[in-house]
Amino acid sequence: DIQMTQSPSSLSASVGDRVTITCRASQTIASSLNWYQQKPGKAPNLLIYAASTLQSGVPSRFTGSGSATDFTLTISSLQPEDFATYYCQQSYTTPLTFGGGTKVEIK
Amino acid sequence: EVHLLESGGGLVQPGGSLRLSCAASGFTFSSYAMSWVRQAPGKGLEWVSVISGSGGRTNYADSVKGRFTISRDNSKNTLYLQMNSLRAEDTALYYCAKDRSTNWFFDFWGRGTLVTVSS
Repeated sequence: DIQMTQSPSSLSASVGDRVTITCRASQTIASSLNWYQQKPGKAPNLLIYAASTLQSGVPSRFTGSGSATDFTLTISSLQPEDFATYYCQQSYTTPLTFGGGTKVEIK
Repeated sequence: EVHLLESGGGLVQPGGSLRLSCAASGFTFSSYAMSWVRQAPGKGLEWVSVISGSGGRTNYADSVKGRFTISRDNSKNTLYLQMNSLRAEDTALYYCAKDRSTNWFFDFWGRGTLVTVSS
């Protein structure tokens, strides 16, 4: 199985900060990497797919990059509604696997 | 508007069975693969199973293989998950999720149904 490792597991940031979350795959997954945002008590929401394609309706302050084994989610200017947990997911092969999550908290 | 509504969760004893349903609307159900994804209380996301749009292909996480069965009824726009031989570690909120295309990532999710396995 492909293991997905996210870092950090949590971070504290202020509104307006630039935030970067990384995701590493245990083997190459090409660009088959997706990012989700989950707020407490809610279902996950797709932000970015295929490593760098913004899902319709998602603000442009979210960007994704990377390929092969190393990927990054960047929030260019953190907004109050962005405080949430973020998950990466590989869709290269089954079993589909998620990273452990990164909780973004208010500083 | 896409809508996914899970049902069928509840409290079940270890070794018991449960069948989850997910009623879909707002899209051509038979054209999309569907998955079940679960989340144990306070934990991260775990993919459980996927089924192709026609229902002809399925795949499972090792943790549920041989115990869970995914199926769909395209005439009823409904996805199912039959769960047998349930264990305490199966306790989780179970989401159904729509594949965006045939790429095994999910653009719409239901609100989830809670399964608790306990004596």
